[in-house]
Amino acid sequence: AQTVTQSQPEMSVQEAETVTLSCTYDTSESDYYLFWYKQPPSRQMILVIRQEAYKQQNATENRFSVNFQKAAKSFSLKISDSQLGDAAMYFCAYRSYGGATNKLIFGTGTLLAVQP
Amino acid sequence: KAGVTQTPRYLIKTRGQQVTLSCSPISGHRSVSWYQQTPGQGLQFLFEYFSETQRNKGNFPGRFSGRQFSNSRSEMNVSTLELGDSALYLCASSLGEGRNTEAFFGQGTRLTVV
Repeated sequence: AQTVTQSQPEMSVQEAETVTLSCTYDTSESDYYLFWYKQPPSRQMILVIRQEAYKQQNATENRFSVNFQKAAKSFSLKISDSQLGDAAMYFCAYRSYGGATNKLIFGTGTLLAVQP
Repeated sequence: KAGVTQTPRYLIKTRGQQVTLSCSPISGHRSVSWYQQTPGQGLQFLFEYFSETQRNKGNFPGRFSGRQFSNSRSEMNVSTLELGDSALYLCASSLGEGRNTEAFFGQGTRLTVV
């Protein structure tokens, strides 16, 4: 069975600074997807960034980028130029490849605080 | 394009009662997944429906059930409610097929069991 681990329950960053959130996972599959979701106080889960395991290039979305290390089964999220609106719970998630399921396996989350 | 709609947003029930939650996916999406979120257990997968068929199920007791209608709308039902069922229930919709399928979440239903 696949597992996702986020070892940082809470993180804090100064506005305009850079912060990196860690995620490790365990799987025996060779092809899969990894995601970072953001959950603000409104509770709605918002997709931040997605990485397909077969792609070696790290995904980027504006100020958000990932460091995907497939061999190490590591998938960290870097937020550059942090903004107050980035304050939220961040979840790392895993999904198997293939059309048989859309089941997401989530980590326990990292609560990010942004200090003005 | 309308997003994923979950109703009701908040619900208070008494132990032993049953409850039905509803999820309307994005138009054209055929897959609906349900998750339970609690402070203690985090986000846990309940089940997934695709074209009216359950195609994946998490480790929850039989008191938790669901269904999907021909218009892709989904309901989940919890019978004989327990205090531990108090949680945020999230619904996610996606196309359901192919590689590039992203899950879009609703705002959730906050269930409190007293």
